[in-house]
Amino acid sequence: EAAVTQSPRNKVTVTGGNVTLSCRQTNSHNYMYWYRQDTGHGLRLIHYSYGAGNLQIGDVPDGYKATRTTQEDFFLLLELASPSQTSLYFCASSDWTGDTQYFGPGTRLLVL
Amino acid sequence: QQQVRQSSQSLTVWEGETAILNCSYENSAFDYFPWYQQFPGEGPALLIAIRSVSDKKEDGRFTIFFNKREKNLSLHIKDSQPGDSATYFCAASEGWSNYQLIWGSGTKLIIKP
Repeated sequence: EAAVTQSPRNKVTVTGGNVTLSCRQTNSHNYMYWYRQDTGHGLRLIHYSYGAGNLQIGDVPDGYKATRTTQEDFFLLLELASPSQTSLYFCASSDWTGDTQYFGPGTRLLVL
Repeated sequence: QQQVRQSSQSLTVWEGETAILNCSYENSAFDYFPWYQQFPGEGPALLIAIRSVSDKKEDGRFTIFFNKREKNLSLHIKDSQPGDSATYFCAASEGWSNYQLIWGSGTKLIIKP
């Protein structure tokens, strides 16, 4: 049974549109992460959280908001989507050490 | 500025050979180096990791060789199999914040039968 799930798996929106990506983990982990993956860049950390109500800024936060509503659920919000945000988005979770991050299957977002 | 660099975008080896994937880094404060394996359509998964106090880490057919002085490391996949075909990411973090991994751009490994 998948421990990190993401929805939707694919999303198409228009420039200026609102998008919410959802992530749920059943690992009982404190830490959750949002990454984007682009060819030539590997994975880049957008935001992460160490618990419900907490949010930490990652390396590429501009244009993104995130909210951790429970230990299990972490959301990524694009309030005015732009074509530059077309990407493959991954959610991950880890325990307090961060040694192993467990990834979801990804959400492919296309902004037209 | 790329702090973790994987020199090859892609690598092709024959089945049974040893595949060698290289990684280098700039920040001498990095001390934790995981390698993640990603298959198409899936998220990355931790394959093997090393800390800077060690110069070698082995797990079955997978071995990391680490050179702190030269700031580089390599992943060796012995007796490579077609099922090893995947993209491999080298990453790094400072010990106090393994949460903030810095990722290389990945090497796509193709094993030819």
